[in-house]
Amino acid sequence: DGGITQSPKYLFRKEGQNVTLSCEQNLNHDAMYWYRQDPGQGLRLIYYSQIVNDFQKGDIAEGYSVSREKKESFPLTVTSAQKNPTAFYLCASRLDSRSSPLHFGNGTRLTVT
Amino acid sequence: QKEVEQDPGPLSVPEGAIVSLNCTYSNSAFQYFMWYRQYSRKGPELLMYTYSSGNKEDGRFTAQVDKSSKYISLFIRDSQPSDSATYLCAMSETGTASKLTFGTGTRLQVTL
Repeated sequence: DGGITQSPKYLFRKEGQNVTLSCEQNLNHDAMYWYRQDPGQGLRLIYYSQIVNDFQKGDIAEGYSVSREKKESFPLTVTSAQKNPTAFYLCASRLDSRSSPLHFGNGTRLTVT
Repeated sequence: QKEVEQDPGPLSVPEGAIVSLNCTYSNSAFQYFMWYRQYSRKGPELLMYTYSSGNKEDGRFTAQVDKSSKYISLFIRDSQPSDSATYLCAMSETGTASKLTFGTGTRLQVTL
């Protein structure tokens, strides 16, 4: 089955630690995205990548980093600089970056204490 | 003012009712409109995808876009308890690297 796999489903970390969230897709999509979802705020774009070895900051990139070394993979690192990292993180992809709709993974719930 | 406004609900309806979910927006450059359904602790699932104005029907779901009023709607006929979820509208402009702008979602509860 084609789709987007995010792992792990739940992640717990201590404050001050960096943590990396995995996102893999087998849809052969060029573009990949990371969103953060908080109650009452909707989805906010963290980073996106239109093509391998290239990525751009979204609206709330501070405290996050990404890499896109392979077409299928777009990991997100939440660094200790992110002031409020506890959230539901969603990875998405689309066929190209122009007009095709986004397809989402099932998310990673990160809790930092 | 947010670029996309969506009533958060919750909206509670009895099984079998017709549900109307709506979003308004301020950016007249939006051309592509989407509706997503999101169950608790899951990722959003694409329900409907439309371009420009008009209606699109898929089974029990109908998406409507009125660009002159900057208003989009999703109608669900014969609602079922399994339709209970949060519904997100999303929209984007035409062009390269066009980003999606999401509404905050409407929580729907369909009761027996």
